[in-house]
Amino acid sequence: AAGVIQSPRHLIKEKRETATLKCYPIPRHDTVYWYQQGPGQDPQFLISFYEKMQSDKGSIPDRFSAQQFSDYHSELNMSSLELGDSALYFCASSFGGLNYGYTFGSGTRLTVV
Amino acid sequence: KQEVTQIPAALSVPEGENLVLNCSFTDSAIYNLQWFRQDPGKGLTSLLLIQSSQREQTSGRLNASLDKSSGRSTLYIAASQPGDSATYLCAVDSGTYKYIFGTGTRLKVLA
Repeated sequence: AAGVIQSPRHLIKEKRETATLKCYPIPRHDTVYWYQQGPGQDPQFLISFYEKMQSDKGSIPDRFSAQQFSDYHSELNMSSLELGDSALYFCASSFGGLNYGYTFGSGTRLTVV
Repeated sequence: KQEVTQIPAALSVPEGENLVLNCSFTDSAIYNLQWFRQDPGKGLTSLLLIQSSQREQTSGRLNASLDKSSGRSTLYIAASQPGDSATYLCAVDSGTYKYIFGTGTRLKVLA
């Protein structure tokens, strides 16, 4: 069965650079969620999109932005990267909200040096 | 504001033991609760999803129960194996279309 695809799997950037993370949801899933997981921490909700519109926003820094495209894939753009942005970034998708739970991608490990 | 806590934070058991992981949440008005497994540096694998109207779900050696009124869920793992070693996370949906995660239980099953 198709899963949530995230790219790239690993990314190394320098401080103040920009990074773009991509997420391709399970086919027919209309909702995408982004989470950030720092070392030894539980995942923290960043932002979500339903039918290409932002549906909820969590603790996402102003330096980050995201959108969902017409094919339902989503991109998380991160600018002016800081060392503290180093984390695992997960994307999850669902159909019509959370009635059937989430399916997570394998994550993108971002390292800022 | 929903808060999710997991006890214990870490657990080390010999192979073959049955064990219980606990998850507590402060707001009982939830839509569903999901248990995940995470291997070090890896993604989150869904184990069991319990809707608010359900009391338990089972999958293989795993059984998850939900008691909304007391704000608790337990994940029962029968006949634990070394391959079960991972971090187990519970996550709660309070109708806000996002999950609030617990702090996780790091499980180590010794051969």
